[in-house]
This record gives sequence, structure tokens and C-alpha cells, in this order.
Amino acid sequence: DTAVSQTPKYLVTQMGNDKSIKCEQNLGHDTMYWYKQDSKKFLKIMFSYNNKELIINETVPNRFSPKSPDKAHLNLHINSLELGDSAVYFCASSQVGWGGYEQYFGPGTRLTVT
Amino acid sequence: QKEVEQNSGPLSVPEGAIASLNCTYSDRGSQSFFWYRQYSGKSPELIMFIYSNGDKEDGRFTAQLNKASQYVSLLIRDSQPSDSATYLCAVNRVTGNQFYFGTGTSLTVIP
Repeated sequence: DTAVSQTPKYLVTQMGNDKSIKCEQNLGHDTMYWYKQDSKKFLKIMFSYNNKELIINETVPNRFSPKSPDKAHLNLHINSLELGDSAVYFCASSQVGWGGYEQYFGPGTRLTVT
Repeated sequence: QKEVEQNSGPLSVPEGAIASLNCTYSDRGSQSFFWYRQYSGKSPELIMFIYSNGDKEDGRFTAQLNKASQYVSLLIRDSQPSDSATYLCAVNRVTGNQFYFGTGTSLTVIP
């Protein structure tokens, strides 16, 4: 019983296409996140979202949009894909509360744009 | 200035030695600090978190936090080859529930 799952694991597509990555968590957490990890292994937060608030990293292009049908799901939709979007995308979740805030990561989606 | 800075390494230590990983952060409002381990091709996994000044020990791992110096470290005692991975320092600001990760330190434990 996977805590945080993502699909697909690999995604290869051409420039200009639109694609979505799905994420689900069964931990009952309040907050979910999307991260991008580039080829240099830098993990950069893109969005954090709970049922009250969406926080967007201001450096994220508006071609990226999170969509949350419910508390357990946070999908990432990407329009007009570019070569620079190639990276590994991680979904994560955490329980809002003082102290820990530890995040649990999904297995990642390796996106390759050709 | 980056929110979180780490020495990218690589750091090599012999098996059984102590590995010391360091991290500095820029925002004095940061409140929670985390160490994640990431094996190649895998997702980050939490090792420890700390939010009070001082040391926190968990098995072979000790996290140290000095808020005055804006410094957090991770010590790994009796290093094992299985500890070879990239170690990511992360900092949380409660305001906005933002997490910032360092670029990670690559650790190799030599048998």
C-alpha cells in the first residue's frame, strides 16, 4: 500500500504537447506539493496546496498548473511543453502541524521532452 | 543568496568513520529543519528533522542545529557503504508552508 503514488513513472513527449502527471496520497495528509528536480539534482518546490490555499512559486511558468479534485489528489498539468521542462517531477505530502512537517515523496515521474 | 546551501561534495569517508554533512540557511524565520537521503534514481526519504537548538540523535544519525549561526549538520557514525547517497538539507518556513532544499551533498562510503 503505497503512501504517495505517481503516474506515469516515465513520460516522453514532444515539444508543444500538453501532458498531465497524477499524484495520490493515502496518508490522510492536508498538504500536497510538486517539486522539480533537474539534471543537477536541485530539488525546487513548484507548488504547495491544501484545501485552503494554493501557494505558487513565483518562478514557475504559468504553463504549469496544479489541479486538485480532492484532498488526496494533486495532479500537475503542463501546457506547451518545452525542452527545459525535462526533469524528474516529485509529488509529496505532509500533515500540517507544528514541528515535523515531514514530507513523504512519491517515486517521481521522469519527463523527457524531445 | 540561496535559501539553503550545502557543499555538493563529493564527500568520501572510509567504512566505520564519521561522516559530517553541513548546511546553512539564509532566513532567520526558518523553523523546521530536515535531512533527506536520496539514492540514485530514487525519491528523497526523510532521515531526521530538528527544530530546537542542540543535538538530536537517532541511531547512528545525529542532527545538530544552531539557529544563531543559521547552521544545521548531520553526523553519521559508523558509516556503512549503504549510506552512500546524496543527502539533502531542507528548511521549512511555516509562513506560506514553504520548503527549501539545498542542492545536496554526495556521500560515498568506501568499504
